[in-house]
Amino acid sequence: GAVVSQHPSWVICKSGTSVKIECRSLDFQATTMFWYRQFPKQSLMLMATSNEGSKATYEQGVEKDKFLINHASLTLSTLTVTSAHPEDSSFYICSASKGGTGELFFGEGSRLTVL
Amino acid sequence: DQQVKQNSPSLSVQEGRISILNCDYTNSMFDYFLWYKKYPAEGPTFLISISSIKDKNEDGRFTVFLNKSAKHLSLHIVPSQPGDSAVYFCAASAGAGGTSYGKLTFGQGTILTVHP
Repeated sequence: GAVVSQHPSWVICKSGTSVKIECRSLDFQATTMFWYRQFPKQSLMLMATSNEGSKATYEQGVEKDKFLINHASLTLSTLTVTSAHPEDSSFYICSASKGGTGELFFGEGSRLTVL
Repeated sequence: DQQVKQNSPSLSVQEGRISILNCDYTNSMFDYFLWYKKYPAEGPTFLISISSIKDKNEDGRFTVFLNKSAKHLSLHIVPSQPGDSAVYFCAASAGAGGTSYGKLTFGQGTILTVHP
């Protein structure tokens, strides 16, 4: 199957700093990528839809100025958590949509801990 | 508003027996349903899917059943193996023509433990 890679897999940062998480489709071009967030023992919640070359579409309740998404190429989308606070600590997962059927492939996830 | 619900947070099954994982949904616009398996600190991996035009889809040990009138789907794993122990998420998408995945709405997940 297709491969989607996230980096870093885990990151610890101080409160007030910004953290960037990368999502790459390694063997296919992804015009659309999705960012999810998962709290412990809870569902994956869709945060935003990232379209190559255009602005991301955010789900209701997600602060677009807090979670900056950039989809500069067909193989890379980035999520930047700006001025991170402890409540932003979570598991962030991206998925990439493969052309044709639009099948989704998920990255390995990134664990963010804000101290 | 939880549009996709997995009401059983956990399920314990003996090796070789059947595992049945359940999922209910409320949005009648959902037309494509998927099951994912997830290990801790990893992303979900796709297991099996079903379009709303079908009521059953089978792939090896995994079978998904869809009851549209009840807005209910279930995943059957037969026979269950210890390696199946993981968190299982059901997910649904809407308005994608029933053939592509689009945006997914996930359930809360069910932790399956298969005992040797």
